[in-house]
Amino acid sequence: GIQVEQSPPDLILQEGANSTLRCNFSDSVNNLQWFHQNPWGQLINLFYIPSGTKQNGRLSATTVATERYSLLYISSSQTTDSGVYFCAVGYSGTYKYIFGTGTRLKVLA
Amino acid sequence: NAGVTQTPKFQVLKTGQSMTLQCAQDMNHNSMYWYRQDPGMGLRLIYYSASEGTTDKGEVPNGYNVSRLNKREFSLRLESAAPSQTSVYFCASVQGAYNEQFFGPGTRLTVL
Repeated sequence: GIQVEQSPPDLILQEGANSTLRCNFSDSVNNLQWFHQNPWGQLINLFYIPSGTKQNGRLSATTVATERYSLLYISSSQTTDSGVYFCAVGYSGTYKYIFGTGTRLKVLA
Repeated sequence: NAGVTQTPKFQVLKTGQSMTLQCAQDMNHNSMYWYRQDPGMGLRLIYYSASEGTTDKGEVPNGYNVSRLNKREFSLRLESAAPSQTSVYFCASVQGAYNEQFFGPGTRLTVL
């Protein structure tokens, strides 16, 4: 089955710093989402981005489907950005989604 | 709109007990999903229902059963709970196969 890997597994930043999170997948996908899981466990939708680039405030994401990766950029990080960031992919011919193992981000004040 | 709702929020069971986790969505989505998340890990798919009247196994279906009661509701049943089923359970829904998933708040289950 399709493999989804995220890097780095852990990241510690000072408030105000920028960061790039990566999601690699092993096969063609038709669906890719980025989520933020906050410290209370809630999963928050960030981007639905099977291809191309999107921006939402300080966050942006790019998916290069032909090269099988997606990037999530966080600029001017804030302590409220702390938590775990997951990518999830869905692939052709199935309704299944596969989650990556996540990047755990801690932003220090 | 409430989105995706799950009940209960917390549950403690003894080994061998049974229970049903409930999920409902009010977004008129066709597809619904059950995931489990173990500590420090990502989400793993247990079962899904692509449309009303259909259910299929995900990555980790053993020990679980599901029922797609109607378009709104998708329940997950543990017939004989085991400590290995201690986890946080999330329900999600999607409109079609290639769209954005929306998640419920989760049910934290502990099996003693």
